[in-house]
Amino acid sequence: DAGVIQSPRHEVTEMGQEVTLRCKPISGHNSLFWYRQTMMRGLELLIYFNNNVPIDDSGMPEDRFSAKMPNASFSTLKIQPSEPRDSAVYFCASSLRASNSPLHFGNGTRLTVT
Amino acid sequence: GENVEQHPSTLSVQEGDSAVIKCTYSDSASNYFPWYKQELGKGPQLIIDIRSNVGEKKDQRIAVTLNKTAKHFSLHITETQPEDSAVYFCAASPNTDKLIFGTGTRLQVFP
Repeated sequence: DAGVIQSPRHEVTEMGQEVTLRCKPISGHNSLFWYRQTMMRGLELLIYFNNNVPIDDSGMPEDRFSAKMPNASFSTLKIQPSEPRDSAVYFCASSLRASNSPLHFGNGTRLTVT
Repeated sequence: GENVEQHPSTLSVQEGDSAVIKCTYSDSASNYFPWYKQELGKGPQLIIDIRSNVGEKKDQRIAVTLNKTAKHFSLHITETQPEDSAVYFCAASPNTDKLIFGTGTRLQVFP
């Protein structure tokens, strides 16, 4: 299995622009998570989906952030408009929703907003 | 909600020595405690996990202990090697849906 695949690996954009991050979970996994990692705040859970349905989006920082999962093999995290304080590494992770199922992370998207 | 504290933030050891990283959690309902290793430019990778019905678990040079009464758990790495150098995160959760991570420990193993 190729693991969780995220694209792009790096994104540099100007303040005010729209940014879309993409994730392909591991085939067969039915839970998907978006995390953000910064030096100041560490790893923060933004939102997670079970069977393509958003379950908990309490970690989404503002209305500028939105996430979708149109099918079991694809999810997006969108920031519109982007701000410099959004600069971080964004990770997608997936798991098979079961009591003994670990989380598998992608290699992240490093976002820089200038 | 759950809060996880992790210590130390940095740890330097000589190759062959042991390394210990400690975490405490606040939610007594938490029953799943994984440890992740993150190398530069990569996502965190699960290295070992433990559930509340077990006090200790070992996998080769890595072991994790859990004290539910005191709400703390620890990662032990024996016979450290340079390739163990990375950032290690503990996490806690009442279920695998919502992991709350510690702030990480940067481990450096010097040859």
